[in-house]
Amino acid sequence: AQSVTQPDIHITVSEGASLELRCNYSYGATPYLFWYVQSPGQGLQLLLKYFSGDTLVQGIKGFEAEFKRSQSSFNLRKPSVHWSDAAEYFCAVDINAGNNRKLIWGLGTSLAVNP
Amino acid sequence: DGGITQSPKYLFRKEGQNVTLSCEQNLNHDAMYWYRQDPGQGLRLIYYSQIVNDFQKGDIAEGYSVSREKKESFPLTVTSAQKNPTAFYLCASSPRTGNNSPLHFGNGTRLTVT
Repeated sequence: AQSVTQPDIHITVSEGASLELRCNYSYGATPYLFWYVQSPGQGLQLLLKYFSGDTLVQGIKGFEAEFKRSQSSFNLRKPSVHWSDAAEYFCAVDINAGNNRKLIWGLGTSLAVNP
Repeated sequence: DGGITQSPKYLFRKEGQNVTLSCEQNLNHDAMYWYRQDPGQGLRLIYYSQIVNDFQKGDIAEGYSVSREKKESFPLTVTSAQKNPTAFYLCASSPRTGNNSPLHFGNGTRLTVT
Protein backbone atom coordinates (compact mmCIF):
# COMPACT_ATOMS: atom_id res chain seq x y z
CA ALA A 1 0.00 0.00 0.00
CA GLN A 2 1.11 3.51 -0.65
CA SER A 3 2.47 5.30 2.38
CA VAL A 4 4.54 8.21 3.56
CA THR A 5 6.93 7.84 6.45
CA GLN A 6 8.46 10.62 8.47
CA PRO A 7 10.80 8.63 10.72
CA ASP A 8 11.40 11.38 13.24
CA ILE A 9 8.41 12.25 15.39
CA HIS A 10 10.24 15.00 17.22
CA ILE A 11 13.53 16.83 16.58
CA THR A 12 15.27 19.48 18.65
CA VAL A 13 17.99 21.66 17.18
CA SER A 14 19.85 24.73 18.35
CA GLU A 15 19.23 28.03 16.66
CA GLY A 16 21.71 28.48 13.84
CA ALA A 17 22.26 24.77 13.39
CA SER A 18 21.46 22.96 10.19
CA LEU A 19 18.31 20.90 9.82
CA GLU A 20 17.25 17.87 7.85
CA LEU A 21 13.79 16.34 8.12
CA ARG A 22 13.35 12.98 6.51
CA CYS A 23 10.51 11.79 4.31
CA ASN A 24 10.25 8.43 2.59
CA TYR A 25 7.40 7.18 0.48
CA SER A 26 6.19 3.89 -0.86
CA TYR A 27 4.77 4.13 -4.37
CA GLY A 28 5.50 2.39 -7.64
CA ALA A 29 6.01 5.51 -9.70
CA THR A 30 7.31 9.00 -9.04
CA PRO A 31 4.70 10.92 -7.11
CA TYR A 32 4.23 14.62 -6.78
CA LEU A 33 5.83 15.68 -3.52
CA PHE A 34 5.08 18.43 -1.03
CA TRP A 35 6.30 19.78 2.28
CA TYR A 36 3.94 21.79 4.48
CA VAL A 37 4.54 23.59 7.77
CA GLN A 38 2.04 24.11 10.58
CA SER A 39 2.47 26.54 13.44
CA PRO A 40 0.61 25.69 16.65
CA GLY A 41 -3.14 26.14 16.34
CA GLN A 42 -2.87 27.19 12.71
CA GLY A 43 -3.49 25.72 9.30
CA LEU A 44 -0.82 24.32 7.02
CA GLN A 45 1.31 26.39 4.68
CA LEU A 46 3.06 25.05 1.61
CA LEU A 47 6.86 25.21 1.89
CA LEU A 48 7.79 23.66 -1.44
CA LYS A 49 6.78 21.10 -4.05
CA TYR A 50 8.37 18.79 -6.59
CA PHE A 51 6.67 17.74 -9.78
CA SER A 52 9.51 17.10 -12.22
CA GLY A 53 12.83 18.44 -13.41
CA ASP A 54 15.61 19.56 -11.09
CA THR A 55 15.56 17.28 -8.08
CA LEU A 56 16.67 20.04 -5.72
CA VAL A 57 13.81 22.44 -5.10
CA GLN A 58 13.82 25.70 -3.27
CA GLY A 59 10.97 26.84 -1.09
CA ILE A 60 9.94 29.66 1.15
CA LYS A 61 11.61 30.62 4.44
CA GLY A 62 15.01 29.38 3.22
CA PHE A 63 14.00 25.73 2.98
CA GLU A 64 15.01 23.32 0.24
CA ALA A 65 14.30 19.66 -0.45
CA GLU A 66 15.96 17.04 -2.59
CA PHE A 67 14.13 14.25 -4.38
CA LYS A 68 16.11 11.02 -4.57
CA ARG A 69 14.33 8.48 -6.71
CA SER A 70 16.68 5.64 -5.78
CA GLN A 71 15.90 6.14 -2.10
CA SER A 72 12.23 7.12 -2.49
CA SER A 73 13.00 10.11 -0.35
CA PHE A 74 12.23 13.80 -0.30
CA ASN A 75 14.15 15.24 2.63
CA LEU A 76 13.71 18.82 3.75
CA ARG A 77 16.74 20.90 4.68
CA LYS A 78 17.65 24.29 6.00
CA PRO A 79 21.25 25.47 6.51
CA SER A 80 20.59 27.62 9.58
CA VAL A 81 17.49 27.27 11.70
CA HIS A 82 15.75 30.26 13.25
CA TRP A 83 13.64 30.15 16.42
CA SER A 84 10.58 30.95 14.31
CA ASP A 85 11.01 27.65 12.47
CA ALA A 86 9.67 25.76 15.47
CA ALA A 87 6.56 24.08 14.11
CA GLU A 88 5.13 20.81 12.80
CA TYR A 89 6.31 19.72 9.35
CA PHE A 90 4.35 17.43 7.09
CA CYS A 91 5.45 15.59 3.99
CA ALA A 92 2.75 14.64 1.48
CA VAL A 93 2.70 12.74 -1.80
CA ASP A 94 0.14 13.02 -4.57
CA ILE A 95 -0.35 9.71 -6.32
CA ASN A 96 -2.48 8.32 -9.11
CA ALA A 97 -5.24 6.28 -7.47
CA GLY A 98 -7.40 4.86 -10.23
CA ASN A 99 -9.61 7.56 -11.68
CA ASN A 100 -8.50 10.14 -9.16
CA ARG A 101 -5.36 11.47 -7.65
CA LYS A 102 -4.93 11.01 -3.91
CA LEU A 103 -2.89 12.92 -1.37
CA ILE A 104 -1.17 10.80 1.25
CA TRP A 105 0.22 12.45 4.34
CA GLY A 106 3.04 11.62 6.68
CA LEU A 107 2.35 11.84 10.40
CA GLY A 108 4.52 14.90 10.82
CA THR A 109 7.75 15.89 12.53
CA SER A 110 7.64 18.33 15.40
CA LEU A 111 10.60 20.70 15.42
CA ALA A 112 11.75 22.47 18.57
CA VAL A 113 14.47 25.13 18.42
CA ASN A 114 16.71 25.85 21.40
CA PRO A 115 17.99 29.41 21.78
CA ASP B 1 -6.46 39.21 0.28
CA GLY B 2 -7.72 35.86 -0.91
CA GLY B 3 -7.90 32.99 1.49
CA ILE B 4 -9.90 30.46 3.43
CA THR B 5 -11.87 31.44 6.49
CA GLN B 6 -12.90 28.89 9.07
CA SER B 7 -15.20 29.86 11.88
CA PRO B 8 -15.37 29.72 14.76
CA LYS B 9 -11.80 29.05 15.90
CA TYR B 10 -13.01 27.24 19.02
CA LEU B 11 -16.31 25.41 19.37
CA PHE B 12 -17.76 23.62 22.36
CA ARG B 13 -20.73 21.28 22.26
CA LYS B 14 -22.47 18.79 24.43
CA GLU B 15 -22.47 15.15 23.43
CA GLY B 16 -25.45 14.24 21.28
CA GLN B 17 -25.70 17.60 19.53
CA ASN B 18 -24.97 18.14 15.87
CA VAL B 19 -22.60 21.00 15.11
CA THR B 20 -21.72 22.71 11.84
CA LEU B 21 -18.27 24.09 11.05
CA SER B 22 -18.03 26.88 8.52
CA CYS B 23 -15.52 27.10 5.67
CA GLU B 24 -15.53 29.93 3.13
CA GLN B 25 -12.98 30.64 0.39
CA ASN B 26 -12.58 33.58 -1.97
CA LEU B 27 -9.83 32.01 -4.07
CA ASN B 28 -12.23 30.92 -6.79
CA HIS B 29 -11.09 27.34 -6.25
CA ASP B 30 -13.21 24.48 -7.56
CA ALA B 31 -12.08 21.86 -5.06
CA MET B 32 -12.55 21.94 -1.31
CA TYR B 33 -11.61 19.49 1.42
CA TRP B 34 -12.20 18.73 5.07
CA TYR B 35 -9.50 17.11 7.18
CA ARG B 36 -9.44 15.99 10.75
CA GLN B 37 -6.22 16.28 12.74
CA ASP B 38 -5.56 14.38 15.96
CA PRO B 39 -2.25 14.33 17.86
CA GLY B 40 0.14 11.82 16.36
CA GLN B 41 -2.23 10.86 13.55
CA GLY B 42 -1.49 13.45 10.93
CA LEU B 43 -4.26 14.59 8.61
CA ARG B 44 -7.17 12.34 7.67
CA LEU B 45 -9.55 13.22 4.86
CA ILE B 46 -13.23 13.42 5.80
CA TYR B 47 -14.93 14.69 2.63
CA TYR B 48 -13.97 16.52 -0.51
CA SER B 49 -15.80 18.30 -3.27
CA GLN B 50 -14.55 18.85 -6.80
CA ILE B 51 -17.43 21.00 -7.98
CA VAL B 52 -20.60 22.64 -6.74
CA ASN B 53 -23.38 20.23 -5.79
CA ASP B 54 -21.01 17.27 -5.76
CA PHE B 55 -18.90 15.74 -3.00
CA GLN B 56 -17.23 12.44 -2.15
CA LYS B 57 -16.42 10.59 1.03
CA GLY B 58 -12.87 10.54 2.21
CA ASP B 59 -11.21 8.02 4.47
CA ILE B 60 -13.19 8.78 7.65
CA ALA B 61 -16.61 10.09 6.52
CA GLU B 62 -18.73 8.19 9.04
CA GLY B 63 -20.53 10.54 11.41
CA TYR B 64 -19.99 13.58 9.19
CA SER B 65 -21.97 15.29 6.46
CA VAL B 66 -21.25 18.14 4.06
CA SER B 67 -22.93 20.27 1.43
CA ARG B 68 -21.60 22.30 -1.49
CA GLU B 69 -24.38 24.61 -2.61
CA LYS B 70 -22.00 27.43 -3.48
CA LYS B 71 -18.49 27.41 -4.87
CA GLU B 72 -17.26 29.51 -1.97
CA SER B 73 -18.71 27.47 0.86
CA PHE B 74 -18.21 23.91 2.12
CA PRO B 75 -19.71 23.50 5.60
CA LEU B 76 -19.08 20.36 7.63
CA THR B 77 -21.63 18.97 10.06
CA VAL B 78 -20.39 16.75 12.84
CA THR B 79 -23.34 14.58 13.78
CA SER B 80 -24.12 12.80 17.01
CA ALA B 81 -23.17 9.58 15.23
CA GLN B 82 -19.50 10.57 15.26
CA LYS B 83 -18.08 8.55 18.13
CA ASN B 84 -15.10 10.73 18.92
CA PRO B 85 -15.73 14.21 17.54
CA THR B 86 -13.25 16.19 19.64
CA ALA B 87 -10.48 17.19 17.23
CA PHE B 88 -8.92 19.96 15.18
CA TYR B 89 -10.70 20.37 11.84
CA LEU B 90 -8.99 21.85 8.81
CA CYS B 91 -10.62 23.04 5.62
CA ALA B 92 -8.59 23.34 2.44
CA SER B 93 -9.08 24.23 -1.20
CA SER B 94 -7.26 23.86 -4.50
CA PRO B 95 -7.94 25.13 -8.01
CA ARG B 96 -9.18 21.65 -8.92
CA THR B 97 -8.36 18.06 -8.16
CA GLY B 98 -6.26 16.01 -10.50
CA ASN B 99 -3.69 18.58 -11.51
CA ASN B 100 -1.35 18.28 -8.53
CA SER B 101 -2.28 21.67 -7.17
CA PRO B 102 -1.08 22.37 -3.66
CA LEU B 103 -3.72 22.83 -1.02
CA HIS B 104 -4.50 26.13 0.63
CA PHE B 105 -5.58 25.72 4.24
CA GLY B 106 -7.74 27.65 6.65
CA ASN B 107 -6.60 28.18 10.23
CA GLY B 108 -8.78 25.43 11.58
CA THR B 109 -11.58 24.97 14.09
CA ARG B 110 -10.92 23.18 17.35
CA LEU B 111 -14.05 21.30 18.38
CA THR B 112 -14.48 20.04 21.91
CA VAL B 113 -17.42 17.80 22.74
CA THR B 114 -18.12 16.93 26.36
